[in-house]
Amino acid sequence: DTAVSQTPKYLVTQMGNDKSIKCEQNLGHDTMYWYKQDSKKFLKIMFSYNNKELIINETVPNRFSPKSPDKAHLNLHINSLELGDSAVYFCATMEGTNYNEQFFGPGTRLTVL
Amino acid sequence: AQSVTQLGSHVSVSEGALVLLRCNYSSSVPPYLFWYVQYPNQGLQLLLKYTSAATLVKGINGFEAEFKKSETSFHLTKPSAHMSDAAEYFCAVSDTPGNTGKLIFGQGTTLQVKP
Repeated sequence: DTAVSQTPKYLVTQMGNDKSIKCEQNLGHDTMYWYKQDSKKFLKIMFSYNNKELIINETVPNRFSPKSPDKAHLNLHINSLELGDSAVYFCATMEGTNYNEQFFGPGTRLTVL
Repeated sequence: AQSVTQLGSHVSVSEGALVLLRCNYSSSVPPYLFWYVQYPNQGLQLLLKYTSAATLVKGINGFEAEFKKSETSFHLTKPSAHMSDAAEYFCAVSDTPGNTGKLIFGQGTTLQVKP
């Protein structure tokens, strides 16, 4: 079983559309994250949830809205997609007591045309 | 604020040669430091981590890193490069240990291994 899974793996869409990316973990970890990797491979934190509570929201446009229906899932919804949203989005999880080690999903490559 | 700088966006070595990837950090508190590897079209995999125990940290695939507080460095090394080591490598620092756990990444270093 995959520890951290993301769907879809690839997402191609038109500007202005609304799309969602889903993340599921079976590690039983309390904290989940969304990171964005841009075309230059730079990774930046976007959001974090701990036990379904938002704990990090890093200067991300309001068009991005994370939702955590339960401890095992953290979804990312993006409204009115723009060209600049094209990137790879990674979900990650962390067990709070394990020296902040994070486990990453395989990524979702979003392409906005 | 914490930050990470990886010196050299691209490193090329011959198979069997020493691998040295440089990472310097800035942190106002004792840091937790990590090296992650990303193979093409895959997620990030933890290579090793420093958590204030031993300053020389051994990781997977023969990699190790040494924490040097005086130099604020955490360079990654491997004695003998293998073709399968070709990948993107990221150094990262964590915010206050036990807090949000947010990782702050360096810019990444692409390791090329030539036959």
